[in-house]
Amino acid sequence: EPEVTQTPSHQVTQMGQEVILRCVPISNHLYFYWYRQILGQKVEFLVSFYNNEISEKSEIFDDQFSVERPDGSNFTLKIRSTKLEDSAMYFCASTPLTNEKLFFGSGTQLSVL
Amino acid sequence: DQQVKQNSPSLSVQEGRISILNCDYTNSMFDYFLWYKKYPAEGPTFLISISSIKDKNEDGRFTVFLNKSAKHLSLHIVPSQPGDSAVYFCAATSRGGGYQKVTFGTGTKLQVIP
Repeated sequence: EPEVTQTPSHQVTQMGQEVILRCVPISNHLYFYWYRQILGQKVEFLVSFYNNEISEKSEIFDDQFSVERPDGSNFTLKIRSTKLEDSAMYFCASTPLTNEKLFFGSGTQLSVL
Repeated sequence: DQQVKQNSPSLSVQEGRISILNCDYTNSMFDYFLWYKKYPAEGPTFLISISSIKDKNEDGRFTVFLNKSAKHLSLHIVPSQPGDSAVYFCAATSRGGGYQKVTFGTGTKLQVIP
């Protein structure tokens, strides 16, 4: 069964550094998403992406965050200058259409020191 | 803002018995509801969904009930199996938002005791 792949599984970085989290969505999917889960809290929507542009973003997704689909397969989340509170599990997801179940990757655990 | 609430952080059930997981929501715009299951070190996986035009949806051992007037939904697992032990997230989305954004609850950790 096709799956969403995320790399790396763990990322440790110093506060103020830039990080790029990578995802390979399922190949025939058209909508891509980033969610995050801070330890002990709910899974939170960050951003949705369709047709090479952001279609919706949350208030969490401020100017420090950006997303990109640099080629036909990868979908990345960049945090420009990480803060301690960015420490979380970041999940990438994709769907063939909207109103479809999200297919999640296994996540990248980001630790900001 | 807790638009989707799962008030029970954990639940223990004997194997073979029914598990009932509850969820409440506050946003009247939500019209599509989903349940996801999450094992440790994995991403959430879709379990079952229900549209607001229905009050029940069944898929094998899993049934979701929706009470729109009470803004409440529940997931029933019958019979419960040890492999069902996981964290279950209730989630909701809306057609008005193009179903782009899914709002999750905080999860209920289900333990099925053999």
